[in-house]
Amino acid sequence: AQKITQTQPGMFVQEKEAVTLDCTYDTSDQSYGLFWYKQPSSGEMIFLIYQGSYDEQNATEGRYSLNFQKARKSANLVISASQLGDSAMYFCAMRERYGRANFGNEKLTFGTGTRLTIIP
Amino acid sequence: DVKVTQSSRYLVKRTGEKVFLECVQDMDHENMFWYRQDPGLGLRLIYFSYDVKMKEKGDIPEGYSVSREKKERFSLILESASTNQTSMYLCASTPGGRSGYTFGSGTRLTVV
Repeated sequence: AQKITQTQPGMFVQEKEAVTLDCTYDTSDQSYGLFWYKQPSSGEMIFLIYQGSYDEQNATEGRYSLNFQKARKSANLVISASQLGDSAMYFCAMRERYGRANFGNEKLTFGTGTRLTIIP
Repeated sequence: DVKVTQSSRYLVKRTGEKVFLECVQDMDHENMFWYRQDPGLGLRLIYFSYDVKMKEKGDIPEGYSVSREKKERFSLILESASTNQTSMYLCASTPGGRSGYTFGSGTRLTVV
C-alpha cells in the first residue's frame, strides 16, 4: 500500500487564485511528521512547510498553509494568491521513526508529486 | 550556508561499469539518504544511514550498495550499472526531528 498518496498528477490554476494540493498518508505510528517540498524546473528541492503529528494547530509559512486532518490522514497544501513562480512539482512526504524509538533514526517517504502550472 | 554537495551533475556510464556517486554534507547531520527520482514515480528511497558505518535498506535497494566511512560522506555504489538505473539521484541529510531535509542538486546518471 502507498504510504503517501498524491492523486493529482497535474493541475492548472489561474494566477492569483488559491490552490489546494491533496495528500493522504498511511501510518500506524503515533509520532510522525509531514513535509511539503517544491521542485522547480531547475531540479532543486525546496522545503516549504512541516506539520508534526502532535501539533495542535495547522502549520503556516507565508502564503503556504497545511490543512492537517489527522483522523482522515490528510495533509493538504494550500497556496494562497498563486504566482507564476509557483509553477513547479510539489511533493508531499512523511517522516517516520525507524528502529528504536529513542534514537533519532528516521526516514522520509515521498508521494509521486503534483505538477502545478500557474496560468497568467 | 549549509550544503549537501553531490560530486557530479551529469554522468554517463556504460552497462556493467561500477559507478560511485558521492555525497558530502557540511552540517554534521547524523542522517543521510539516497533517493532516485523518475517521472511519475516521485522520489524513492534507495538506502539511508543514521550513523557512521550504519546503513539501512530503503524501498528499492536492489542493484545498489552504500558506504559511510565518515559522518559527512555517504556514497552510493552501482556494482554493475544497468540501463534501468538511468535516473536522477538525489542525496539528502537531516539532523532529525522537525528539521527539514537538505537536498543536493542531484546527479543525472545515464547508463548506455
